[in-house]
Amino acid sequence: NAGVTQTPKFQVLKTGQSMTLQCAQDMNHNSMYWYRQDPGMGLRLIYYSASEGTTDKGEVPNGYNVSRLNKREFSLRLESAAPSQTSVYFCASSDLVGDYNEQFFGPGTRLTVL
Amino acid sequence: QKEVEQNSGPLSVPEGAIASLNCTYSDRGSQSFFWYRQYSGKSPELIMFIYSNGDKEDGRFTAQLNKASQYVSLLIRDSQPSDSATYLCAVPASGGSYIPTFGRGTSLIVHP
Repeated sequence: NAGVTQTPKFQVLKTGQSMTLQCAQDMNHNSMYWYRQDPGMGLRLIYYSASEGTTDKGEVPNGYNVSRLNKREFSLRLESAAPSQTSVYFCASSDLVGDYNEQFFGPGTRLTVL
Repeated sequence: QKEVEQNSGPLSVPEGAIASLNCTYSDRGSQSFFWYRQYSGKSPELIMFIYSNGDKEDGRFTAQLNKASQYVSLLIRDSQPSDSATYLCAVPASGGSYIPTFGRGTSLIVHP
């Protein structure tokens, strides 16, 4: 099993360009998440999808859109990239069992916006 | 906004010592607590989960929970240079979503 995969691993964009970050999981998890991680800021939730067909905003959703394509795939789109979106992006998945919600993370995408 | 606070460090300990990492949280309804380890340039991975007040031990790791004081700690005994990483505390929200809020992480350096 590959777990959670993300593409691309690295990306450099110019201000105003758009791109989509792809995420897929093979653990049959219901929930998927997108986080960004900046130095000294920990992991901040951008969007999440509690189940196929639903998406909800997290702590820092501005400038992003998401699509839960199917149970396996959850993409994150930057419509008009800004330097403030330079960050490391992690996708995660989980299956909620009672209140146990362990997150399984992908390897991350390192994005630089010039 | 639920808050999870950690000292960013770095916490520097000699090899073989006990490393103590602390985390406080604001959501009094939270019932479960997670510790993730993140090596530089890698993604976080779960190392400990604790649900009940008191201690939970797993090998060299011990998680301690005090719900009345709203803190959870992680002790690493016989610290090794391979333990050098950032340790993230995560606290799922109460009320049904259980979406975790992560602390900013504590950087641990174990020097030989």
